[in-house]
Amino acid sequence: EAQVTQNPRYLITVTGKKLTVTCSQNMNHEYMSWYRQDPGLGLRQIYYSMNVEVTDKGDVPEGYKVSRKEKRNFPLILESPSPNQTSLYFCASGPTAPSNYGYTFGSGTRLTVV
Amino acid sequence: GNSVTQMEGPVTLSEEAFLTINCTYTATGYPSLFWYVQYPGEGLQLLLKATKADDKGSNKGFEATYRKETTSFHLEKGSVQVSDSAVYFCALSHQAGTALIFGKGTTLSVSS
Repeated sequence: EAQVTQNPRYLITVTGKKLTVTCSQNMNHEYMSWYRQDPGLGLRQIYYSMNVEVTDKGDVPEGYKVSRKEKRNFPLILESPSPNQTSLYFCASGPTAPSNYGYTFGSGTRLTVV
Repeated sequence: GNSVTQMEGPVTLSEEAFLTINCTYTATGYPSLFWYVQYPGEGLQLLLKATKADDKGSNKGFEATYRKETTSFHLEKGSVQVSDSAVYFCALSHQAGTALIFGKGTTLSVSS
């Protein structure tokens, strides 16, 4: 089944403790991206990657890092999480970008930073 | 810049009622337009899309027509079901960018 897999689904952590949210896709897509979803704000792009070793900032990159060492994986790294990063995070992938076909989204990771 | 504006929710309907969720956009050129749906506890699923003016996207009884003259892409369904209860997002993809630009989402609640 073609899908984007994120882990974990739920995570509660403390301020300053480094964490990584993993994202993997099995569709051989070149494009991958991370979004955060906040009430009243919709979804906003954090980082994206056009291909292996090619990444760039989205609209809200502060406090996040990413890497793209393999085509299928695109982890999101929070080196020193803060409470304002409490959010619902989605990974997405697509054959290319921009896309007339939309992107495939993962099931989401709900992160709480206390 | 590019943006998407959706009607505020929540929208509360009885089963078999007619649904309209308004969506308008601001963009230069010819963006592609999408509706995504998020069921409780799940990720976003592509519901339908349209890539050029006057295109009609349809899926699962939902329809939306790309209206360039009014910069709109309103979502409609003739008879909603309880299982349609979800959050609906209108989004655009512009040739000059990689991100999907989302509206803030509209929560639909359907009761039997």
